[in-house]
Amino acid sequence: GEDVEQSLFLSVREGDSSVINCTYTDSSSTYLYWYKQEPGAGLQLLTYIFSNMDMKQDQRLTVLLNKKDKHLSLRIADTQTGDSAIYFCAESFNTDKLIFGTGTRLQVFP
Amino acid sequence: DVKVTQSSRYLVKRTGEKVFLECVQDMDHENMFWYRQDPGLGLRLIYFSYDVKMKEKGDIPEGYSVSREKKERFSLILESASTNQTSMYLCASTALKRGYTFGSGTRLTVV
Repeated sequence: GEDVEQSLFLSVREGDSSVINCTYTDSSSTYLYWYKQEPGAGLQLLTYIFSNMDMKQDQRLTVLLNKKDKHLSLRIADTQTGDSAIYFCAESFNTDKLIFGTGTRLQVFP
Repeated sequence: DVKVTQSSRYLVKRTGEKVFLECVQDMDHENMFWYRQDPGLGLRLIYFSYDVKMKEKGDIPEGYSVSREKKERFSLILESASTNQTSMYLCASTALKRGYTFGSGTRLTVV
């Protein structure tokens, strides 16, 4: 079945790295995504990774994919207060339908 | 930039009213989706559409219907609003497997 799990909260100090984790159950997923939602706003696509990749880096963001363990992570280097938001991971299969996790609320404190 | 516009940011409706939530995208995307977002439950898919006049039920379609008469517009309809439909509603569109573009959301309160 399709299920995507995330921890609900993460709190980090400004300047530290944040690591947000996600596990999924369906190994046939083709793309995996990270979205960011700021308060009162819709979701913004941060990055995505194709299922045959292990890692993708984009400026302060690093996505790691472990297909064997069905584990996806998002690392944010040098976390800033503007990174405070809810982060959703999502997976898709051979359609454009996405399955979302419950979201991780990242709180950055000074 | 791709833009997905939801007509209202905030709505307050009475129980039993018929409610229309409108969503328009300007990038000629085939696929459009309606989700609701509730704390601790993440995003749950209500309905989606892969083409004009085509619709598919998502995970929680009960109490909702949709309309897609034109490619750019996907409407969500609450036939008779109830208090358990108080939620944030998010519309999204996509073409190709590159992730969704979301609207800003409509926060609906049913009293």
